[in-house]
This record gives sequence, structure tokens and C-alpha cells, in this order.
Amino acid sequence: NAGVTQTPKFQVLKTGQSMTLQCAQDMNHNSMYWYRQDPGMGLRLIYYSASEGTTDKGEVPNGYNVSRLNKREFSLRLESAAPSQTSVYFCASSPGRVSYEQYFGPGTRLTVT
Amino acid sequence: AQSVTQLGSHVSVSEGALVLLRCNYSSSVPPYLFWYVQYPNQGLQLLLKYTSAATLVKGINGFEAEFKKSETSFHLTKPSAHMSDAAEYFCAVSEGPGNTPLVFGKGTRLSVIA
Repeated sequence: NAGVTQTPKFQVLKTGQSMTLQCAQDMNHNSMYWYRQDPGMGLRLIYYSASEGTTDKGEVPNGYNVSRLNKREFSLRLESAAPSQTSVYFCASSPGRVSYEQYFGPGTRLTVT
Repeated sequence: AQSVTQLGSHVSVSEGALVLLRCNYSSSVPPYLFWYVQYPNQGLQLLLKYTSAATLVKGINGFEAEFKKSETSFHLTKPSAHMSDAAEYFCAVSEGPGNTPLVFGKGTRLSVIA
């Protein structure tokens, strides 16, 4: 049982490049989330998916898109990376209505130059 | 809308001393409250949660937190700090069922001095 996995662990992009961050969970959870973590800012929600087939914007969605590919996988795409998107990105999942806590992946450290 | 305030971005304690990390929340309905810990270069790990049962909640690694509705607080404590407790701690609040996103505080970095 791997929990929540994220790929890649590290990535360096040039301004304007695109990339997709991958997230998968093997806990049969209904809900999945993408956060970014910046020093002194805590975690800020980018997008979330309450259940397969639905996605909703969080606090800071601009510059990002998401896809809930199936119940296990939730990807985050940067179409045209900007230096302001330099951050650590965390994916999380939760069972949904049954429980309330979220389980986090190990993170992806992204640098945009 | 719910919000969380963590007082003190950095707390330093001596090994063996009491750990107290403060969290105050704002919520229009009875909240669900969580404490998470993040060790360097890792993801967040759930320490404990309050979901309207007992007001004193015990978590992992000897931590506990008390829900005080009158003070809108959910402070995290540990009687005796260990070096291994050095990490960043996040308080979070949710107002609804499990698919309502958590709102996180900005975090408190705990340093433990030998």
C-alpha cells in the first residue's frame, strides 16, 4: 500500500514551458486535492476533485489545469510556466464523506527559471 | 468562511520542556480540526483530529490538543519535547463532510534545543 504517490520529485522548467504533475492514490479515496506550499504562506489549495468526474477551483487556480483521469489519478498541468509558480506541490486524498482527514504525497519541488 | 490563525511562526523549546503550539479558528458551524506535522523534505502527516467527540484529543508521538469552543482554540501540546519533534506544524479546519477542502494555517516551525 503506497498511499499517495507523486511524480516527478524534482523539476526545473524554463519560463513558458509546460509540464504535468502526476498524482495517484491506492486507498480507494473519493476526493483528491492539489496544494502549493510557499515559505510563510502555508498550504494553498489550487484545485480539488470531490469525486471522480468533478473538479473545482481552490484559492489559487490561475495558471493551472487539472484532470481527474479516474478514481486513482489526479494530474496538475502548467500550460505556460512562470517564475511565480516556483513552489513545492503536494497532492492529497481523502475518503470523502466517510472521513475528513487528508493523506498527503511526498511533494514535487518545481523551479521555474 | 473558515480560517485558521497560528500564533508564532517559530517556537523554540529546550529538550524536555513543554511544547505549546497555538491555533485559533474561525468557523460559522461546528468545525472539524486537525493538526499535521511536516518533517524536512517530506509531505504532511496527520497528528490528530477533532470531529465533535471528546474535546481532548490524543494523537501520535505523545501530542494532544484540546478543543475550546468558548476560546475558538485548538492548541497543540506535548509535556516533554524530544529532538525528533523538530518540524513544522500545521493546524487546519474544515466545516463540512470529507470532500470539503481543509483550510490550513501558515504553520509553526518548532525547534528543540539540546
